[in-house]
Amino acid sequence: TQLLKQSPQFLSIQEGENLTVYCNSSSVFSSLQWYRQEPGEGPVLLVTVVTGGEVKKLKRLTFQFGDARKDSSLHITAAQPGDTGLYLCAGAQGAQKLVFGQGTRLTINP
Amino acid sequence: KAGVTQTPRYLIKTRGQQVTLSCSPISGHRSVSWYQQTPGQGLQFLFEYFSETQRNKGNFPGRFSGRQFSNSRSEMNVSTLELGDSALYLCASSDLRDGANVLTFGAGSRLTVL
Repeated sequence: TQLLKQSPQFLSIQEGENLTVYCNSSSVFSSLQWYRQEPGEGPVLLVTVVTGGEVKKLKRLTFQFGDARKDSSLHITAAQPGDTGLYLCAGAQGAQKLVFGQGTRLTINP
Repeated sequence: KAGVTQTPRYLIKTRGQQVTLSCSPISGHRSVSWYQQTPGQGLQFLFEYFSETQRNKGNFPGRFSGRQFSNSRSEMNVSTLELGDSALYLCASSDLRDGANVLTFGAGSRLTVL
């Protein structure tokens, strides 16, 4: 049973388009993080959201934490080929343990 | 500040063998976590060590074990390897940021079991 469900699992779009990736759960998390992983590398943290309803922006990326702290979304505006990668959401359960979604593999075509 | 270093980066073993993977965390980080990443299951939590003690454990069989040394370096061991153990094994050290435990991952050790 996947505690955190990401959708879509795969997404291939053209450069310049917008997209949204979703991370959903029936569980409440104390915080939620988004990572990006490129081939041959480990995941790299993009953002941490802690408060229900919180919105954080990182250049063209906008992250939102649901009011009930059970879900999150990542929106990319005007996608670029450099955004290509595996996007992972991770929910914190307790002080140390992170639970990861299965990831969204994003491909931006020039 | 040096990142998280994992060795070896790639290795090939056969069924029944055992393997030891090593992880050097970021200097000053005392917590080290291990994850298994496969295409089908995604990132699965193996265990977490803090100050040489196992603090959390995931749902993996006893063939998977780990330890942490006094300098915070960590090793994980998999005995009696099975084909399904083929995966990318990721180590991460952590610190608190924005009130949350944030992981810095190494590049991983890719294990292939034949």
